[in-house]
Formats: sequence, structure tokens, C-alpha cells
Amino acid sequence: NAGVTQTPKFRILKIGQSMTLQCAQDMNHNYMYWYRQDPGMGLKLIYYSVGAGITDKGEVPNGYNVSRSTTEDFPLRLELAAPSQTSVYFCASDPVGGNSPLHFGNGTRLTVT
Amino acid sequence: EDQVTQSPEALRLQEGESSSLNCSYTVSGLRGLFWYRQDPGKGPEFLFTLYSAGEEKEKERLKATLTKKESFLHITAPKPEDSATYLCAVQAGYSGGGADGLTFGKGTHLIIQP
Repeated sequence: NAGVTQTPKFRILKIGQSMTLQCAQDMNHNYMYWYRQDPGMGLKLIYYSVGAGITDKGEVPNGYNVSRSTTEDFPLRLELAAPSQTSVYFCASDPVGGNSPLHFGNGTRLTVT
Repeated sequence: EDQVTQSPEALRLQEGESSSLNCSYTVSGLRGLFWYRQDPGKGPEFLFTLYSAGEEKEKERLKATLTKKESFLHITAPKPEDSATYLCAVQAGYSGGGADGLTFGKGTHLIIQP
């Protein structure tokens, strides 16, 4: 049981480039989330999904896009990367929403220069 | 606006020296307060959920408590392997479901020296 798997672990992008951060979970969880974590700041929600085909914006969605075509996968797309998107990105899932604990992946560290 | 403030930002203890981490919060109707542990280079790992004032939960050397305004994570006789960043998060009552109403604190970086 792998849990939540994120790829790649590290990536350096040039300003204006695009990329997709991959996230997959094998726990059959309906709810999935993307967070970013900046030094000295709390985790901020970028986008979330309550099931395949359904996505919604979180607190900091600008510059990102998501899709959810299957229960297992929830990729995060960065278009026209900017230095402000330098961060560590975490994907998380939970089975039922509400007060169920989040299961996090180990993150993707992204640097935009 | 929901707010979570954790203190101290960093704490260095000797092995065996007990202490407490604080999480103060303001939220529109608390549905739950969560504690997570985060090791360097890893994602947060769930520790506890507390739902109502007066509730306490324990796991090994850790005990979490909750009042109407704050939560404490008490660490008794810590060991070096307890070194990590501890995150607090609150779930607001207005959220439609899932963690869209979850607000995280900035964390307390705990170092336990042998």
C-alpha cells in the first residue's frame, strides 16, 4: 500500500515554462487536495476535488490548474511558471471529507528561476 | 477569518525535558482540531484529532488537549526521535465537507538534543 505518491521529488523550471506535478493515491479516497508550503508559512490550499470530475478552487489558485479524471490521480498544472511559485507542493487525500485526517505525499520541491 | 497561531516557533530541549507546544485559534464553529508531525523532506503525518473542549488524546510520549481557545501538545520525557515540526490545523464548521475549510498554523520546530 503506497498511499499518496508524488512525482517528481525535485524540479527546476525557468520563468515562463510549464509543468505538471503528478499525484496518485491507491486508497480509493474520494477527496484529494493540493497544498503549497512556503518557508515560515502554514500550508495553503490551492485546489481540491471531492471526486472524479469535480474540482474547486482553494485559497491560492491563481497560476494553477487541476483535473480529476479518475479517483486515483489528481495532477496539478503550472502554466507560465513565475518565481512566486517556488515552493514545496504537497498532495493529500482523505476518504470521506469532514473531520477525517489527511494523508499526505512527500512533496515536490519546485524552484522557478 | 479563521486564524491559527502556534508558539513557540522553535524549541530546543534536552532529552527527557518535558514541555508543551501551544496552538491558539479563532474559527467560525470548530468542527475539529488536528495535530500533525512533519519530518524534514516529508509530508505531514497525522497524530490527533480533537473535537470539543476538555477532550484529551495520548500517543506514546505525546498528549494533546483542547480548550475553547487553544490546544496544547504536551511532550513527556522526549527522545531525539521526537525532533520534528509539529503542525496544528483547525476545521471550520462552515466547510461543505473535506478539508477546504482547514486552516494550518506555521508550526513549531522541535529539536531534542541527546
